[in-house]
Amino acid sequence: NAGVTQTPKFQVLKTGQSMTLQCAQDMNHNSMYWYRQDPGMGLRLIYYSASEGTTDKGEVPNGYNVSRLNKREFSLRLESAAPSQTSVYFCASSVQGNEQFFGPGTRLTVL
Amino acid sequence: QKEVEQDPGPLSVPEGAIVSLNCTYSNSAFQYFMWYRQYSRKGPELLMYTYSSGNKEDGRFTAQVDKSSKYISLFIRDSQPSDSATYLCAMRTPNAGNMLTFGGGTRLMVKP
Repeated sequence: NAGVTQTPKFQVLKTGQSMTLQCAQDMNHNSMYWYRQDPGMGLRLIYYSASEGTTDKGEVPNGYNVSRLNKREFSLRLESAAPSQTSVYFCASSVQGNEQFFGPGTRLTVL
Repeated sequence: QKEVEQDPGPLSVPEGAIVSLNCTYSNSAFQYFMWYRQYSRKGPELLMYTYSSGNKEDGRFTAQVDKSSKYISLFIRDSQPSDSATYLCAMRTPNAGNMLTFGGGTRLMVKP
């Protein structure tokens, strides 16, 4: 079991460029999440998907879009990257709400 | 004011010390409390989970919840250098579905 995988591990973008962060889980979990982590801010929820076919906004959704492609995959898209989106992005999945399993993260820098 | 507050540290202790990590929160509806451990450049992993008030022990780790004070703690006994990590508290209300609210994390360094 690979658990939760994320690609890419690192990315540098210029302001205005777009990109998609990929996430996949092999644990047959219904729920998937995208977080960003900034120094001192903890983890802030961007979007989540309670089940295949549904997505909902979290605490900080502006500037992002998501797609729940199937039960395994949940992608995060930045349409026009801004320096404020420089962060570490984590994908997570869960069966129940309390134990969320996290991926290794994507370090994104927007210049 | 953030819903969940944590001292960011870093907290530096000698090996073998008892460590106390804490979070305060403002939302009295939180019922589920968790501690996640995050090693440098890794994703968080669940360490402890407690429901409502009381204590829970797992090996060297004890989680404590005081709902009357809106205060939760994680105690680490006989701390080891391998405990050096960032510890994040997280909480959930019963009607929040699967959404967790995280504290900012406390960085712990255990020196040999």
